[in-house]
Amino acid sequence: GENVEQHPSTLSVQEGDSAVIKCTYSDSASNYFPWYKQELGKGPQLIIDIRSNVGEKKDQRIAVTLNKTAKHFSLHITETQPEDSAVYFCAASGRDSNYQLIWGAGTKLIIKP
Amino acid sequence: KAGVTQTPRYLIKTRGQQVTLSCSPISGHRSVSWYQQTPGQGLQFLFEYFSETQRNKGNFPGRFSGRQFSNSRSEMNVSTLELGDSALYLCASSLFSGALYEQYFGPGTRLTVT
Repeated sequence: GENVEQHPSTLSVQEGDSAVIKCTYSDSASNYFPWYKQELGKGPQLIIDIRSNVGEKKDQRIAVTLNKTAKHFSLHITETQPEDSAVYFCAASGRDSNYQLIWGAGTKLIIKP
Repeated sequence: KAGVTQTPRYLIKTRGQQVTLSCSPISGHRSVSWYQQTPGQGLQFLFEYFSETQRNKGNFPGRFSGRQFSNSRSEMNVSTLELGDSALYLCASSLFSGALYEQYFGPGTRLTVT
């Protein structure tokens, strides 16, 4: 079945710098890739998503890129701020997962002041 | 619009007992999914209910079961609890079934099995 690997597990960056989190997936038929942010004591919240017919999508300081050939997608956060500190999850959905979301293990992003 | 609510927020049970968790979705949402979250394991999909019918099921033993009521509220039950069942159980609601519809998560129920 579908498998999603996420790296790194922890990422520490200086405030104002950029952060990049990468995920790889196994099902070449996967066609939907969301990113969720989970703050302490809360459930995950969708921050951006991308579909397989698009290579890149941006929303202010957040962008996601997709490389279908290599089967990987990445989250880019520019000009990081303290409120970006959280756990970020990638997920993928496709035929192998019966179109349910398969999640990465998460990345704890720490923004250093 | 009120968000997804889960009750109780915290629960402590002993091995062998059973537990029932409750989830009230956003008004108008008909799909409810349940996930188990453990440190380092991400979110593991348990099952999804849509219009009172189980649409999908993850790879969990039969001790884990669920149901959905006509008002879309959902419950999940775990019988014969094991230590390994200790986790955060998250409920997510969406308008319709399927990953393409944004899932809105509740704060979760923290279950500790001793």
